[in-house]
Amino acid sequence: AQRVTQPEKLLSVFKGAPVELKCNYSYSGSPELFWYVQYSRQRLQLLLRHISRESIKGFTADLNKGETSFHLKKPFAQEEDSAMYYCASQRNSGNTPLVFGKGTRLSVIA
Amino acid sequence: DTGVSQNPRHKITKRGQNVTFRCDPISEHNRLYWYRQTLGQGPEFLTYFQNEAQLEKSRLLSDRFSAERPKGSFSTLEIQRTEQGDSAMYLCASSLAGTGGGRSAGYTFGSGTRLTVV
Repeated sequence: AQRVTQPEKLLSVFKGAPVELKCNYSYSGSPELFWYVQYSRQRLQLLLRHISRESIKGFTADLNKGETSFHLKKPFAQEEDSAMYYCASQRNSGNTPLVFGKGTRLSVIA
Repeated sequence: DTGVSQNPRHKITKRGQNVTFRCDPISEHNRLYWYRQTLGQGPEFLTYFQNEAQLEKSRLLSDRFSAERPKGSFSTLEIQRTEQGDSAMYLCASSLAGTGGGRSAGYTFGSGTRLTVV
């Protein structure tokens, strides 16, 4: 069974500091990995997908198959980055539902 | 199209009562998903549809839960004989999947229905 682990429930950083939100997955195949974000009083929304290799709002994430990780990084945190972040995985066929981690709350302190 | 719409936003019910939630997905999306989220947890998969066919159900979905998507458009999730443990946020999401089973785009989520069973 797929499992997604986000070891930190809460991460607090100062504005301008680097951010790394950790995510590890367990799946023997080649999964698709995603990061979703939920800002206060807003719905859950897609932040980025590993296959897109994109940077969204300054965030990037690299899939490391050796370490089965998909950590989310940003070099300089902003106050507006404060939110809940969920890592999710899906089998690469796309025919199975997303499996989510428990989430990490990022708090950026001014 | 204003995205994925869920109704009601909030529902308070007495234990033992039946409740039904509705989800209207993005019109061109062929897949529709139901998830449940409790405090401190990520969304947990319940079931999903491709068009009107229910393709997968989680073991979390007891026989008190039933979901339908009769015309491949909106979906309903019914909980019979509600229990206090059913209190949660019920999330609906939709996506567009290729008919060849290719990779799907990310999901678009609704705002959820918060169920409180008293």
